[in-house]
Amino acid sequence: DSGVTQTPKHLITATGQRVTLRCSPRSGDLSVYWYQQSLDQGLQFLIQYYNGEERAKGNILERFSAQQFPDLHSELNLSSLELGDSALYFCASSGANSPLHFGNGTRLTVT
Amino acid sequence: GQNIDQPTEMTATEGAIVQINCTYQTSGFNGLFWYQQHAGEAPTFLSYNVLDGLEEKGRFSSFLSRSKGYSYLLLKELQMKDSASYLCAVRRAGNMLTFGGGTRLMVKP
Repeated sequence: DSGVTQTPKHLITATGQRVTLRCSPRSGDLSVYWYQQSLDQGLQFLIQYYNGEERAKGNILERFSAQQFPDLHSELNLSSLELGDSALYFCASSGANSPLHFGNGTRLTVT
Repeated sequence: GQNIDQPTEMTATEGAIVQINCTYQTSGFNGLFWYQQHAGEAPTFLSYNVLDGLEEKGRFSSFLSRSKGYSYLLLKELQMKDSASYLCAVRRAGNMLTFGGGTRLMVKP
């Protein structure tokens, strides 16, 4: 168990809809990262937060947004969903200069 | 930008040794990580190199040459449970990791 909690585990929704994915980092970790992994693809970096502030941005679509709250949990919002957004979405957390620890992911299926 | 290359697939025999290579091109290099990922599961941290040389951790070792932009992960005494994807990731400033496409390793009896 990595200590990173993601909910929900599975999400099935229709095109055009909006969903929110939630992540609670390991105790003491200030950094939260979001990654997308499509079927048989590598992990694509979306966005990083550090102590509530956006730290780095990857290839995140404008339809996607995220935030990190004062209690350090983070949410990833995906809107106007398309079939191609179906993927595993991983959250990871870390302390300063320490390895990233990943949650078990949310599997999103857009139909 | 960053370019991280690793073989897509490898096959090895139970009990053998396998080496998974990773080459990278990046600015601001600040460490190289290896993760293991079983299908549909979370990646789990295996090893970390920031200086040149070999880091050994039980059956797993990782090597780094910064001047060559090259790393490898060595797995000894392969077990069936080692069948998984192995992800090479490069860190730059800010502790952000960029991952390669992963190497799917199949261990056969």
